Amino acid sequence: GAVVSQHPSRVICKSGTSVKIECRSLDFQATTMFWYRQFPKKSLMLMATSNEGSKATYEQGVEKDKFLINHASLTLSTLTVTSAHPEDSSFYICSASKAGSYEQYFGPGTRLTVT
Amino acid sequence: EDQVTQSPEALRLQEGESSSLNCSYTVSGLRGLFWYRQDPGKGPEFLFTLYSAGEEKEKERLKATLTKKESFLHITAPKPEDSATYLCAVQQQGAQKLVFGQGTRLTINP
Repeated sequence: GAVVSQHPSRVICKSGTSVKIECRSLDFQATTMFWYRQFPKKSLMLMATSNEGSKATYEQGVEKDKFLINHASLTLSTLTVTSAHPEDSSFYICSASKAGSYEQYFGPGTRLTVT
Repeated sequence: EDQVTQSPEALRLQEGESSSLNCSYTVSGLRGLFWYRQDPGKGPEFLFTLYSAGEEKEKERLKATLTKKESFLHITAPKPEDSATYLCAVQQQGAQKLVFGQGTRLTINP
């Protein structure tokens, strides 16, 4: 159990457009979902934490108007990168936690390239 | 501020050559220390959670231990398929988020 999927796995978009990334918990209800960003050969940087039905809590330095996070159900969270620019190109990874559990289970990641 | 430092940054071993990875941490009230494995281009895969000093957990060729200041991931008789980046993370009591170390890139040569 504890499988998390992401869609798409790779996306290329033009500068100025928006792109949406989906994160789904397939076999459990995720009360909390997290969004991370990872640069090449670097560790994971937490962008935001979202609890189902509540507004996301963003980490310091992360623009909430640029990275829109929605956690509308116990199995789905979305990250929308608005007005994307080349510097937004990165590997975006989501994770999910079950109610009452401390472990986070990660999705396979989404490679975003902005041209 | 919570801090996690992993060493070495990279490690090359021959198949069958046992070794240990280190994770040193500073946190105000540890709720849990987590080990993950990450393959290139993939998301981290959960390995272990350790909650208190003295705790040990094992899975196949991996064994994780915890003290009040650091954790070790011991790899016994590794195989090439154990090659990956191993990430350590801590969670503070009362917090949901994980603070990650920079990882150890492990390469096992056949």
